[in-house]
Amino acid sequence: DIVMTQSLGSLAVSLGERATINCKSSQSVLYSSNNKNYLAWYQQRPGQPPKLLIYWASTRESGVPDRFSGSGSGTDFTLTISSLQAEDVAVYYCQQYYSTPITFGQGTRLEIK
Amino acid sequence: QVQVVVSGGGVVQPGGSLRLSCAASGFTFSNYAMHWVRQAPDKGLEWVAVISYDGSNKYYADSVKGRFTVSRDNSKSTLYLDVNSLRTEDTAVYYCAKAPRMDSSAWYEDFWGQGILVTVSS
Repeated sequence: DIVMTQSLGSLAVSLGERATINCKSSQSVLYSSNNKNYLAWYQQRPGQPPKLLIYWASTRESGVPDRFSGSGSGTDFTLTISSLQAEDVAVYYCQQYYSTPITFGQGTRLEIK
Repeated sequence: QVQVVVSGGGVVQPGGSLRLSCAASGFTFSNYAMHWVRQAPDKGLEWVAVISYDGSNKYYADSVKGRFTVSRDNSKSTLYLDVNSLRTEDTAVYYCAKAPRMDSSAWYEDFWGQGILVTVSS
C-alpha cells in the first residue's frame, strides 16, 4: 500500500499570508506512460464533507479560487494558499489514486494565527 | 445540480449488518465510477471501496474486504454498501462520492455527499 504522510498535523498562519502544506508518498505516484501524478488535495471544513481542490497534483477544480495551487511530482507534493482567507480554515488532505487501496494523508489542520 | 444522498445508517450491535444506500441525481449515474469513504469520529478520511460505472470492477480496503460489498443499480441511480460482521472500529460517517470518470483512469472523488453515521455499539 502507498502510505501518504503529511508532516504537519496543524498549521497556524496569519490572514493574508501564505500557507504551505506538504505531503509525501511512500512510492512514486507518477505514471510514466502519461506523465501524470495521481495526487489530489481536498478541503474539509468543520461539519462538512470533503471538497476537491486539486487533482493531477496541480490542476485546480472548477470553481476553486486561484489562491489555491498544487505542485510537486513523484513522491513530494505541496498545496499552497497564496493569501489566507478566513474561510480557508479547514483540514486539508492529500490522496493518491495511483493504485488501490486509495490512501489519504492524515490531514493538516489550518488555523488563523 | 449534482446530489448524492446517503441513507440506512444508525446504531447496530457488533457482528450486525446494515445496507447503506446512496441516491444520486443531477448527473448520468451510469457513466461514472463511485466510491465509499468513511471517517471515524474526529479522525481522518479512510477510503473503503470503489465500483466502476457498470459494476464490473470493484476494489476494497483491506480493513473491510470480505465483510463489505459495494454494488450499484444504474436503473435506479443508486449505489449500495452492504456492511456485515460489523466491528466497533467500523463506527464512522460513511460518505458516498462520485468519481470524474467511468473507470480506473482517474479514481479521485470530485463530489461528496453529506454522509451518514454508522455506530457499532452494544
